[in-house]
Amino acid sequence: IAGITQAPTSQILAAGRRMTLRCTQDMRHNAMYWYRQDLGLGLRLIHYSNTAGTTGKGEVPDGYSVSRANTDDFPLTLASAVPSQTSVYFCASRGDRDTDTQYFGPGTRLTVL
Amino acid sequence: GQNIDQPTEMTATEGAIVQINCTYQTSGFNGLFWYQQHAGEAPTFLSYNVLDGLEEKGRFSSFLSRSKGYSYLLLKELQMKDSASYLCAPLDSNYQLIWGAGTKLIIKP
Repeated sequence: IAGITQAPTSQILAAGRRMTLRCTQDMRHNAMYWYRQDLGLGLRLIHYSNTAGTTGKGEVPDGYSVSRANTDDFPLTLASAVPSQTSVYFCASRGDRDTDTQYFGPGTRLTVL
Repeated sequence: GQNIDQPTEMTATEGAIVQINCTYQTSGFNGLFWYQQHAGEAPTFLSYNVLDGLEEKGRFSSFLSRSKGYSYLLLKELQMKDSASYLCAPLDSNYQLIWGAGTKLIIKP
């Protein structure tokens, strides 16, 4: 069982380019999340999905979009990358209860130049 | 507003005990998580408290006081591998985790 995988591991991107970060989980979790982590700040929620077919906005959704076509996959798209989107991005999933633990993927380190 | 306060950095000696404090203000409360995060890695789950009191799990214990908006993580018999950041994260009324910036713990031999 792999848990949660993310791709790519790292990426350098020119400003203005489109980029999709991939996230796949094999735990059949309904809830999934995208966070960004910047030095000196806590994890900030970008978007979330409580179940396949539904998505919601988190604390910092601007410039990002998500889709949830099925239970396993939750891609995050940057339509037109800007340098302020340079960050480490973590995908997470959670079991069916609202108080269940969130499990994190290994992260994607993104640099926008 | 929602706010999490924990020390930015702490230093402790191998074999010793360290307590990492966290105070929080959230819109509603549905328990509090502690995660460990080694440099360059993902956060991993340590503990979850929803009732007042101390939960012990091996070398790690976590305490919660809901009335004071306060939690701490206690690490005993410190090992070099415990050098990491420790993240306090209460669960708000919408069952969203509110993350603190974390406490970087440095263990010295």
